[in-house]
Formats: sequence, structure tokens, C-alpha cells
Amino acid sequence: DVKVTQSSRYLVKRTGEKVFLECVQDMDHENMFWYRQDPGLGLRLIYFSYDVKMKEKGDIPEGYSVSREKKERFSLILESASTNQTSMYLCASSPGERSMETQYFGPGTRLLVL
Amino acid sequence: SQKIEQNSEALNIQEGKTATLTCNYTNYSPAYLQWYRQDPGRGPVFLLLIRENEKEKRKERLKVTFDTTLKQSLFHITASQPADSATYLCALEGGFNKFYFGSGTKLNVKP
Repeated sequence: DVKVTQSSRYLVKRTGEKVFLECVQDMDHENMFWYRQDPGLGLRLIYFSYDVKMKEKGDIPEGYSVSREKKERFSLILESASTNQTSMYLCASSPGERSMETQYFGPGTRLLVL
Repeated sequence: SQKIEQNSEALNIQEGKTATLTCNYTNYSPAYLQWYRQDPGRGPVFLLLIRENEKEKRKERLKVTFDTTLKQSLFHITASQPADSATYLCALEGGFNKFYFGSGTKLNVKP
């Protein structure tokens, strides 16, 4: 089974802190994604990556950056955390460039910014 | 921009009945659509995929329909069980393996 793990289930940070969220997948997937999920808004794509060192902006990239130095690991960085970044963050991966691909999600990180 | 609507109100049904969830979309013609299940505190889990040229897809007690004229997908769970209680998300492909997700509908199946 595909396994996507996220470094923390819960995080509490202060405004202005730099925050790192880590995601690791163990199935050699090409594509990795970061979403945030807020009540009533669904999942919104922040960034995705289709290869090592490659990244593409999603729908809401402002205030975030990403890093993919190794194929299995995709990091989301909040350069200076703000209270409006309090949310559930979900990482996902999918196999490659074939069409109609399933996304496999991690358990999520619930981030609270005070 | 793409807009996906799922009923934000929870759907409450009795065990054994058929649950029907709706996904409507605008401003786009996706080549395929997916349904995911999400339990509290967990990430979504893939259930079914249906292509634009398929009218209906089945998997065990699950059935999905896709009407590209109405821009609507219906998700049915027959003989529902309390274990089916969860939030169900629809997702539309947005090109290059990107997906647009609805906000989900919470299903409560009462024993």
C-alpha cells in the first residue's frame, strides 16, 4: 500500500515564526501536492511538484514556499506564519504523468498560529 | 474559475437506505471526476473515478453517475451502514494531474 506520512499531526506556532511541514511518500511517485483544508472551502492547492527540484504554484501560493530535494520528500514552508494560515494541511502524491490518477493523501497536519 | 458545489448540509439517513450525494460544477468540462471519502482527522481516501464518456460506474455498494450536460455527478451508497458515515468529496481533474475539490458533504447513517 502507498503510504504518505506527514511529520506532525498537530503544531502550534507563533505569528512570524518560520514553519516547516514535511511530507514523505514511499511509492516512488513522481507528483506531490500540498493542500490546505478549511471549513466550507474544501481543499485548495498551494503548490505541487512533478519532479525533483521542480515546483508549480497552485491556487493559493502566497505566503508559502516548497522544497523538493529528493523524490520522496516534499516540504511546505511558511516563511512568516500568520494567523490566517491556521488550517489543516494535507500532503498528497500520485504516480506520474499518466492521466486519471488517484491521489494518495497523508493524515494531515493541523496547524494553529497564535 | 472552476466552481464545485456540494451540499454543505449534512445528509442524515437511516441504515439500509440509499444515500445520494450531489456534486455540481461550473465553468469547466473535466475529462473525469473522482469521489473520495474523508473521516474526521484523516486525509481523503480515493473511492471511484468516472470518465466523461461513462454514464455510470459501480463498485460494490457504490455507484457514481456523470452527466456532462447537467454538469453534475451523483454518488450513491446502497444499503447504507453506520460505518459509511463520513464526509464525501468530489474532485474534478484540472489538467496536468491537478484536481479541484468540493468542500464535501457529511453523511450520517443512523442505526
